[in-house]
Amino acid sequence: DTAVSQTPKYLVTQMGNDKSIKCEQNLGHDTMYWYKQDSKKFLKIMFSYNNKELIINETVPNRFSPKSPDKAHLNLHINSLELGDSAVYFCASSQEPRAYEQYFGPGTRLTVT
Amino acid sequence: QKEVEQNSGPLSVPEGAIASLNCTYSDRVSQSFFWYRQYSGKSPELIMSIYSNGDKEDGRFTAQLNKASQYVSLLIRDSQPSDSATYLCAVGVISSGSARQLTFGSGTQLTVLP
Repeated sequence: DTAVSQTPKYLVTQMGNDKSIKCEQNLGHDTMYWYKQDSKKFLKIMFSYNNKELIINETVPNRFSPKSPDKAHLNLHINSLELGDSAVYFCASSQEPRAYEQYFGPGTRLTVT
Repeated sequence: QKEVEQNSGPLSVPEGAIASLNCTYSDRVSQSFFWYRQYSGKSPELIMSIYSNGDKEDGRFTAQLNKASQYVSLLIRDSQPSDSATYLCAVGVISSGSARQLTFGSGTQLTVLP
């Protein structure tokens, strides 16, 4: 069974388009995260939700909008895609907001052309 | 600015040797430290956590923490080719309210040569 899953695994799109990435976890965790990993492997947190409530919102362009319909799902919508958005986006979850141990999904490789 | 710094490598060691990976952090109040392993094209996987000064051993892995020097390291004994991966150091910080978040270093690429 996949603990944290993401779709799609690969996403190739053109500048200016709008796209979404979906994440689901079946671990029963309360807290979910979105990370961006650039080409130099630098992994940086973008957002975190706890039981559908936004709790961490790092300095991210407002073209990125997370949505959590329930505590098992966290989606990321990106408007007006730019070349610099090309990266691998990882979803992660932890048992609760005070837990540091995080479990990562397989990642979505986004390429903007 | 809270930062976590690692040598990007690549670090190459022969099979059976000890691999030593180092990490420094800038936030003195940090209390929790983690090592994640990331194989090429895969997601990060937590392999070690350490919260107190000193050493913590788990199988072939030993994490070492020195809060006075703001330094954390990972030793891999009897290195195997399967240990070849990027190792990410992460420092836990308290975010808004009670939320916790991880600040990652840029990773050290390790290659174990057969």
